[in-house]
Amino acid sequence: GEDVEQSLFLSVREGDSSVINCTYTDSSSTYLYWYKQEPGAGLQLLTYIFSNMDMKQDQRLTVLLNKKDKHLSLRIADTQTGDSAIYFCAESKGSNYQLIWGAGTKLIIKP
Amino acid sequence: NAGVTQTPKFQVLKTGQSMTLQCAQDMNHNSMYWYRQDPGMGLRLIYYSASEGTTDKGEVPNGYNVSRLNKREFSLRLESAAPSQTSVYFCASRPTSGGATGELFFGEGSRLTVL
Repeated sequence: GEDVEQSLFLSVREGDSSVINCTYTDSSSTYLYWYKQEPGAGLQLLTYIFSNMDMKQDQRLTVLLNKKDKHLSLRIADTQTGDSAIYFCAESKGSNYQLIWGAGTKLIIKP
Repeated sequence: NAGVTQTPKFQVLKTGQSMTLQCAQDMNHNSMYWYRQDPGMGLRLIYYSASEGTTDKGEVPNGYNVSRLNKREFSLRLESAAPSQTSVYFCASRPTSGGATGELFFGEGSRLTVL
């Protein structure tokens, strides 16, 4: 099938690291994306990784890609209350960059 | 920069009524998309327009029609609304040249309730 799978919820303490996981299906995907959706807002691109990369780091964000297992993860270091949001994993498909979306992981921050 | 603007932000309809969701982008993007977002299901593509003058069905097109009025505007019409169309609708756009990575730019969403 064409499913991209993610857990629906993740709860972490403020200051800890958050790790959001995603499995995808299409080994030919060119790009894999993480989008962030804050309450009442649209989605915004958080980061992406090209399929020939294993890791990408951008300040507090680390993306790991395991192509063999078709597994993508997003690590947020020193999680803050402003990181509360829904995080969507998506893979590109085809020459039109059609995206296949996961259901989203809601990140809950405990004080 | 306004980015992607959707109207209306909220709408309540009765079953059988019709309405049009409007979307406009000011980024000179070629491609535009309509998605619906339902709890626990992520985003599902309704229709997209790869360029001005073209439209194509996505994953869940039934019950919807679209019009790519010009490069800026892409509207979504519900001819006879059904309760199953209660959802949050997102318009998005994307550049398709200049080394684009496929990033989508989203509007803030239109929350539609069909009674």
